[in-house]
Amino acid sequence: GENVEQHPSTLSVQEGDSAVIKCTYSDSASNYFPWYKQELGKRPQLIIDIRSNVGEKKDQRIAVTLNKTAKHFSLHITETQPEDSAVYFCAASSSGGSNYKLTFGKGTLLTVNP
Amino acid sequence: NAGVTQTPKFRILKIGQSMTLQCTQDMNHNYMYWYRQDPGMGLKLIYYSVGAGITDKGEVPNGYNVSRSTTEDFPLRLELAAPSQTSVYFCASSPPRGRISTDTQYFGPGTRLTVL
Repeated sequence: GENVEQHPSTLSVQEGDSAVIKCTYSDSASNYFPWYKQELGKRPQLIIDIRSNVGEKKDQRIAVTLNKTAKHFSLHITETQPEDSAVYFCAASSSGGSNYKLTFGKGTLLTVNP
Repeated sequence: NAGVTQTPKFRILKIGQSMTLQCTQDMNHNYMYWYRQDPGMGLKLIYYSVGAGITDKGEVPNGYNVSRSTTEDFPLRLELAAPSQTSVYFCASSPPRGRISTDTQYFGPGTRLTVL
């Protein structure tokens, strides 16, 4: 089955700096890669996703890049703000065949210091 | 739309008790999922369903059972609760394949369960 590794497990940045979180996956058939943000005590919420037919996607201060050859994808947050502090999870799934499941990384605790 | 709703929000069980965690979605999503999230850990899939009457095991199914009699509801049953089942349980749903945003999972607010 799919295996998703996420690094780092914790990340502390100063407000205004950029933050990068990296994930690798094992199943070359995976073609959908979402990122979820989870604030303390809340549910995970989708913040951005990318499919395998594109290499990069951007939404305001958030961007995701995908390297299918190397089987890794990254979340980039620019101009970080204290409200970006949360746990971020990457995930991977395959849209083909009978695989309907997301496999999640273990999460990155991002702390943005004012 | 209310989205994905879960009840109860919190529950304390004694060892050996049983309970059902409720999950309902009003988005006409075919796919539904149950995850558990232990402190400081990621999400582990317990069971999932691709439609009414169809369920399958995920990564950590032992000690749990599910049923899917309707598109909207996907209850999770804990039989003989154990301390190892202390966790936060999230239900999620996603739209059927072929529609925009396929594979995107929408999560419920979670149920915090403690087994003492």
